[in-house]
Amino acid sequence: EAGVTQFPSHSVIEKGQTVTLRCDPISGHDNLYWYRRVMGKEIKFLLHFVKESKQDESGMPNNRFLAERTGGTYSTLKVQPAELEDSGVYFCASSIGLEQFFGPGTRLTVL
Amino acid sequence: ELKVEQNPLFLSMQEGKNYTIYCNYSTTSDRLYWYRQDPGKSLESLFVLLSNGAVKQEGRLMASLDTKARLSTLHITAAVHDLSATYFCAVSNTGKLIFGQGTTLQVKP
Repeated sequence: EAGVTQFPSHSVIEKGQTVTLRCDPISGHDNLYWYRRVMGKEIKFLLHFVKESKQDESGMPNNRFLAERTGGTYSTLKVQPAELEDSGVYFCASSIGLEQFFGPGTRLTVL
Repeated sequence: ELKVEQNPLFLSMQEGKNYTIYCNYSTTSDRLYWYRQDPGKSLESLFVLLSNGAVKQEGRLMASLDTKARLSTLHITAAVHDLSATYFCAVSNTGKLIFGQGTTLQVKP
């Protein structure tokens, strides 16, 4: 069974540009989560989808971040415009029960 | 606000030694998780602890949960180099996970 996949694995962009991260959850997993780890800090929750609906977006830092999950399958997280403090590793996770399965993450560097 | 604190944040140990990583959390939670992360890789689920007194073991790792003390421990027995990684504990809060800072374990031959 394929695990959670994320694309791209790395992205280097300049401040002010736009970047879109993609997450493909494990097939059949209704729950999809986005997390972020900024350098040297803990992993922090961003938001939670149940199918295509946003269940909890309390962790989204500001309105430069937009997450979508059209059709309840894959999800995208767009950062527009990117700022220096957005640099970090963005993880996606999916679940159907108690356990959340994580993807490998996308390392975003904003210069 | 639910907070999770791990200690130590960095642990360097010799092969064959035993050690314990501690995870304290600030409010009640129904689940506690331990994850392992190798550099540049995904978080791998190690244990899910659901109830007070729960103890789970896998190989040289054993995790326990004391919900009254709001404390979980990850005990490493006779460490080997392959256990070198970063270990995270996390508690569940309405579905989302609240993570500790992570403990980077370095096992020296």
